[in-house]
Amino acid sequence: DTAVSQTPKYLVTQMGNDKSIKCEQNLGHDTMYWYKQDSKKFLKIMFSYNNKELIINETVPNRFSPKSPDKAHLNLHINSLELGDSAVYFCASSQDRQGRAFFGQGTRLTVV
Amino acid sequence: GESVGLHLPTLSVQEGDNSIINCAYSNSASDYFIWYKQESGKGPQFIIDIRSNMDKRQGQRVTVLLNKTVKHLSLQIAATQPGDSAVYFCAENRGNMLTFGGGTRLMVKP
Repeated sequence: DTAVSQTPKYLVTQMGNDKSIKCEQNLGHDTMYWYKQDSKKFLKIMFSYNNKELIINETVPNRFSPKSPDKAHLNLHINSLELGDSAVYFCASSQDRQGRAFFGQGTRLTVV
Repeated sequence: GESVGLHLPTLSVQEGDNSIINCAYSNSASDYFIWYKQESGKGPQFIIDIRSNMDKRQGQRVTVLLNKTVKHLSLQIAATQPGDSAVYFCAENRGNMLTFGGGTRLMVKP
């Protein structure tokens, strides 16, 4: 049973397109996150949701819009994709904001 | 800005030896620390954690040491195995979110 699952695993798309990445967790956690990992493996938080409410929005272009239809899902929509958006995006969840995070397998986004 | 850890260095060890991975953090208000392991093509996996009211915690073959005086965290892996080869990250939790260090790549030589 996959605890945090995200789809797709790979995404190759052209500049200017709009794409979405989906994430679901079956752990019953209250908090979900999106992280971006660059080519140097640096992991940076983008967004955090607690009980469907946005609680953290780091310095991220407004082309990125998270959506949480319910506590178990946090999707990431990206408009007008740019070359610099190429990275691995990780979804994660935790029981609360102070707890350890469980990560999904990642979505490798390549913008060409 | 504040940062945790270093840019991605590499630690190469012989199979069977002990490994020590170090991490420096900058926020003295952080109260919870986690070590993660990331294998190629996978997401970070939890290894061990420690709260700021402790200075040592042991797991199976792993030990985390916390030195709050110098804001330093280390992960010790005993009898390193080929399956331990991965990138290791320290992370600190400052109440609302995890902030990750730059990671260390561990390579195990047979």
